[in-house]
Amino acid sequence: DAGVIQSPRHEVTEMGQEVTLRCKPISGHDYLFWYRQTMMRGLELLIYFNNNVPIDDSGMPEDRFSAKMPNASFSTLKIQPSEPRDSAVYFCASSPRQGPTYEQYFGPGTRLTVT
Amino acid sequence: AQSVTQPDIHITVSEGASLELRCNYSYGATPYLFWYVQSPGQGLQLLLKYFSGDTLVQGIKGFEAEFKRSQSSFNLRKPSVHWSDAAEYFCAVVASGGSYIPTFGRGTSLIVHP
Repeated sequence: DAGVIQSPRHEVTEMGQEVTLRCKPISGHDYLFWYRQTMMRGLELLIYFNNNVPIDDSGMPEDRFSAKMPNASFSTLKIQPSEPRDSAVYFCASSPRQGPTYEQYFGPGTRLTVT
Repeated sequence: AQSVTQPDIHITVSEGASLELRCNYSYGATPYLFWYVQSPGQGLQLLLKYFSGDTLVQGIKGFEAEFKRSQSSFNLRKPSVHWSDAAEYFCAVVASGGSYIPTFGRGTSLIVHP
């Protein structure tokens, strides 16, 4: 299995532009998670999906952020408009089933820089 | 709500030396505990996990961790560190009831000197 795939790996954009991050989870995994990692705040859960349905988006910082999962093999995290404080590494992770016996499998991340 | 504290932001060890990374958690009942490793430019990878039973758990890459309920700790150990172990290490806790979404610590950066 190729693991969780994220694209792009690096994104540099100007303030005010729309940014779309993409994730392909491991086939057969029912859960998908989006995280943001910064030096100041560490690893934060933004949102997670179960069977393509958003379950908890309480970690999404504000309305500029949105996430979708149109099918079991694809998810996007969109920021519109982007701001310099959105600069971070964004991780996507998937899990075969919720519960403590099932670990999360992380993608390599997308490093976003907003200038 | 559960929480995790990793008191050491950075740890520096010499190659071949032993290693212990500290993790303390806060949770009313027995939690589920995890250690993940993040190599530079990579996502997090699970090293080991504890759910119940033997309090000393073995993981990949020669790591082990010991659950100590009395100290609310789950410290990660390795008897002899290799240069390739240089990475960021995250402890995580999952409440034994509820959504089972992990809470991650802030991480400890391991630096290995030759």
